[in-house]
Amino acid sequence: DAGITQSPRHKVTETGTPVTLRCHQTENHRYMYWYRQDPGHGLRLIHYSYGVKDTDKGEVSDGYSVSRSKTEDFLLTLESATSSQTSVYFCATWTGGSNQPQHFGDGTRLSIL
Amino acid sequence: GQNIDQPTEMTATEGAIVQINCTYQTSGFNGLFWYQQHAGEAPTFLSYNVLDGLEEKGRFSSFLSRSKGYSYLLLKELQMKDSASYLCAVRDLGSSNSGYALNFGKGTSLLVTP
Repeated sequence: DAGITQSPRHKVTETGTPVTLRCHQTENHRYMYWYRQDPGHGLRLIHYSYGVKDTDKGEVSDGYSVSRSKTEDFLLTLESATSSQTSVYFCATWTGGSNQPQHFGDGTRLSIL
Repeated sequence: GQNIDQPTEMTATEGAIVQINCTYQTSGFNGLFWYQQHAGEAPTFLSYNVLDGLEEKGRFSSFLSRSKGYSYLLLKELQMKDSASYLCAVRDLGSSNSGYALNFGKGTSLLVTP
């Protein structure tokens, strides 16, 4: 959907290790978002970007950082992964048109042991 | 989103009609979206409302009342494949939302039975 590719799709790692998730889009959408989805919480915004090198924090940003060096790529980094960051991570993009929806990637299932 | 409420679970019969309600509180309402999410998959866009009234799209319709902070998604002629989670999301410009991000409800899990 909207040419969004997330990588990796699945990852298992250990507490304390750094982890980077990648979101790649081919639609030249200006806005990009990282969400996490957990049972009982729904989708929660971690960080977002409103242009190259323009990023800001969302609702649950602690322990996460992001970078956007070019339009098509938005990286999410867990500097030192903790078990509480075990989740499904979704990337989304948006054109900026008010009547246009966000489109989501297929998600990354991350397990931290 | 803590200010978006929808039922946790619903069950309906194949061929029937089901209505999924969503209530919200915002200080800068700028649109309401409904998404469908099958287990293990990404959310996919169903409908968008920004003005009061009903938007119809095939078997799916969505209604909005801004004065009441209320929306519903109506699914007609239910099919087994409609078993999924349905997510209500609001764009709120009242909270320094420079990214125009969506606030999501926790989702309603719909089970369609034969």
